[in-house]
Amino acid sequence: EIVLTQSPATLSLSPGERATLSCRASQTISTFLAWYQQKPGQAPRLLIYDASNRATDIPARFSGSGSGTDFILTISSLEPEDFAVYYCQQRSSWPPFTFGPGTTVDIK
Amino acid sequence: QVKLVESGGGVVQPGRSLRLSCAASGFRFSGYGMHWVRQAPGKGLEWVALIAFDGSETYYADSVKGRFIISRDNSKNTLYLQMNSLRAEDTAVYYCAREEFLGSWLDYWGQGTLVTVSS
Repeated sequence: EIVLTQSPATLSLSPGERATLSCRASQTISTFLAWYQQKPGQAPRLLIYDASNRATDIPARFSGSGSGTDFILTISSLEPEDFAVYYCQQRSSWPPFTFGPGTTVDIK
Repeated sequence: QVKLVESGGGVVQPGRSLRLSCAASGFRFSGYGMHWVRQAPGKGLEWVALIAFDGSETYYADSVKGRFIISRDNSKNTLYLQMNSLRAEDTAVYYCAREEFLGSWLDYWGQGTLVTVSS
């Protein structure tokens, strides 16, 4: 099973700041990685797929990069609605599909 | 627009069974694989099961294999999760989600239904 680790666990930032979230895979997964955003009481929403492709209707301030084992989600300038939990997920080797433990982006 | 609505959650005693449903609308349900993903209270996301667009293939997490059954009725645009021999650790919000093709990303999610396993 491929294990995903995310860092940091919590990121405290102010609106307008840049957020950089990391996801590391226990073995190489090429670019078979996605990022999801989840707000309290809501379902997750797909942000980025195949490491760097924005999903439908996702703003350009969200970008993804990486390949192999190391991946980054960048939010170029945080908007108030971006404070949420972010999960990475791999589909390189399944089942199971695995998620990272999440990074919480909260307001400083 | 794509809509997924889960139902069937509730409080159930350990060892008992429960069946969840996910009603789909706004897209051609029979053309998409479907997943169940769960989230224990205050915890992260855990993938549970996948069924191919035509029901010909199913896959399960080890934690539920042999206890849960994923199925679908394409004539009713509905996905199911039959959960047997429930345990306290199955307590979670259960989400259904659509994938674009077998093993792809989860592009639409329902709002979830809460299952609580407790005596």
